[in-house]
Amino acid sequence: SAVISQKPSRDICQRGTSLTIQCQVDSQVTMMFWYRQQPGQSLTLIATANQGSEATYESGFVIDKFPISRPNLTFSTLTVSNMSPEDSSIYLCSAHLSTQNTEAFFGQGTRLTVV
Amino acid sequence: AQTVTQSQPEMSVQEAETVTLSCTYDTSESDYYLFWYKQPPSRQMILVIRQEAYKQQNATENRFSVNFQKAAKSFSLKISDSQLGDAAMYFCAYRSGGGATNKLIFGTGTLLAVQP
Repeated sequence: SAVISQKPSRDICQRGTSLTIQCQVDSQVTMMFWYRQQPGQSLTLIATANQGSEATYESGFVIDKFPISRPNLTFSTLTVSNMSPEDSSIYLCSAHLSTQNTEAFFGQGTRLTVV
Repeated sequence: AQTVTQSQPEMSVQEAETVTLSCTYDTSESDYYLFWYKQPPSRQMILVIRQEAYKQQNATENRFSVNFQKAAKSFSLKISDSQLGDAAMYFCAYRSGGGATNKLIFGTGTLLAVQP
């Protein structure tokens, strides 16, 4: 199994500012993912964080708005840039131990409120 | 594209009773995995149970079991002997088995309340 530490757990930010969310895994993982969960809704994949290359973004999400870093096999960051109230959501980090391992492990999420 | 549908936004069950949560999905793939995740108020996503599409036998984990109907593309979760700690949002999820990506596609969730 894997334990994922995500921080901050929550934040209240001013519109127009940026917030960087950190995700640390206690073991090396091949694949890391960032999801957004808008209030009362399901999880939507933002991007796959690739180690050593640019992240792969899903339709509707762009690098300028959600830049992602993945400097090694245990760590990733997601930045929410130039925030607006519509960015108020829970952001979750997820990881798989390997491409063959079907179980996804999740961080505890970051609750972001933009005012 | 694959989709996952949960038609029950909310469900309620009495403690010690049994409840079934519904999930249907759409895919043209033959190799895939299905999951049920639980999200309590703490926001931590917890894997409840998983099913490999190539397995005919329904998965079981203690009080949790699934009814996997591949032809009907149905994947329901049965919770037996419900406990107060089972109260949470439950998400059904799909993952392709091709290995190219491990990303999960989630349904909209079912909020389960457990009445004492």
